[in-house]
Amino acid sequence: DSGVTQTPKHLITATGQRVTLRCSPRSGDLSVYWYQQSLDQGLQFLIQYYNGEERAKGNILERFSAQQFPDLHSELNLSSLELGDSALYFCASSAGTVTEQYFGPGTRLTVT
Amino acid sequence: AQTVTQSQPEMSVQEAETVTLSCTYDTSESDYYLFWYKQPPSRQMILVIRQEAYKQQNATENRFSVNFQKAAKSFSLKISDSQLGDAAMYFCAYRSAYQGNAGNMLTFGGGTRLMVKP
Repeated sequence: DSGVTQTPKHLITATGQRVTLRCSPRSGDLSVYWYQQSLDQGLQFLIQYYNGEERAKGNILERFSAQQFPDLHSELNLSSLELGDSALYFCASSAGTVTEQYFGPGTRLTVT
Repeated sequence: AQTVTQSQPEMSVQEAETVTLSCTYDTSESDYYLFWYKQPPSRQMILVIRQEAYKQQNATENRFSVNFQKAAKSFSLKISDSQLGDAAMYFCAYRSAYQGNAGNMLTFGGGTRLMVKP
């Protein structure tokens, strides 16, 4: 158990819908990262937050957004969902910005 | 931009034998970190081992060790005395040591599926 929690574990929704994925980092970790793992794109970095501020953006679609709250938990919002958004979404956390990243169990999103 | 390449989509090893997984990367930076992550069927991403580029000594963690060749930009993982529980996807990953607009994202290779035969 990495100490990073993600909810829900599984999510099935229809095209065009909007979902929110939630992540609670390890106790004391200030950085949160979101990654997407899909069959065709592999593991891709989406976005990073550090202590509530956006730190870096990767290949994140405009339909996707994220935020980190004062209690350091983070949410990833996916809207206007398409079939191609079906993937495993990981959250990872680290103590600072140059320390190991520990991954949560992931949220499997299926868009039908 | 950095890229990470794992040229072996699948590998197999006999239980108790040794196997080496390959990884190459491309970067113009001189300071960075390299990692191997294991992803078993449960899909959990588990950190196996890490290597700092400025350290010449290869990292080891119990049965896992790396062969880090900085000039060749090569970072292979050796698993000794393979066990059934080692069966998983293994991902090589790169992270810059510099803080900046690029943040501290991990760049992953495509993965190698390791099968362990009893």
